[in-house]
Amino acid sequence: NAGVMQNPRHLVRRRGQEARLRCSPVKGHSHVYWYRQLPEEGLKFMVYLQKENIIDESGMPKERFSAEFPKEGPSILRIQQVVRGDSAAYFCASSLGKGTYEQYFGPGTRLTVT
Amino acid sequence: GNSVTQMEGPVTLSEEAFLTINCTYTATGYPSLFWYVQYPGEGLQLLLKATKADDKGSNKGFEATYRKETTSFHLEKGSVQVSDSAVYFCALSDTGGSQGNLIFGKGTKLSVKP
Repeated sequence: NAGVMQNPRHLVRRRGQEARLRCSPVKGHSHVYWYRQLPEEGLKFMVYLQKENIIDESGMPKERFSAEFPKEGPSILRIQQVVRGDSAAYFCASSLGKGTYEQYFGPGTRLTVT
Repeated sequence: GNSVTQMEGPVTLSEEAFLTINCTYTATGYPSLFWYVQYPGEGLQLLLKATKADDKGSNKGFEATYRKETTSFHLEKGSVQVSDSAVYFCALSDTGGSQGNLIFGKGTKLSVKP
């Protein structure tokens, strides 16, 4: 009865490197959301995906950030050429549908950029 | 746009004390309202929710009532325990984007002392 899995749990990257964050949703869930939590802040929505489609990326920076949710495999949040300001906790959530369906959150990936 | 404001923490209480964490919101339409709890090093867990005005969500002794007239969703518990120590987030579903992504408050850290 696995919940949302995220890996790695902790990721350290130097400035300019790429970061890849993975999220495996609850089995049977086809809706995935990514959120970012900066220190001492609440979670901010980044992107909403359904299988193979980006539905809403209004919260994601236009440059350096991309997300995908392929037909097979986990959802990936990719950050190219990381900067110190990208240091944050990145949470993935999955649900059966949008709207009032409960979102189940993963444990998060804590990215540190040195 | 839609937003959530919750009381600043940290909040420190003695065991068996009464807890109130205030949450107010700004939204167009009729959002659903949520309280999430985050234990140290973990992802967010849904604590309770309410989907329409005057609904009361309750779970594990916590409760909150959706008050449309005061645009509030205050979290209460009659007698807190040490195990309730965590960060609590108030959130609403974003009706503007109509995709179900959540808008979070900044979180309130609760510490309960024995």
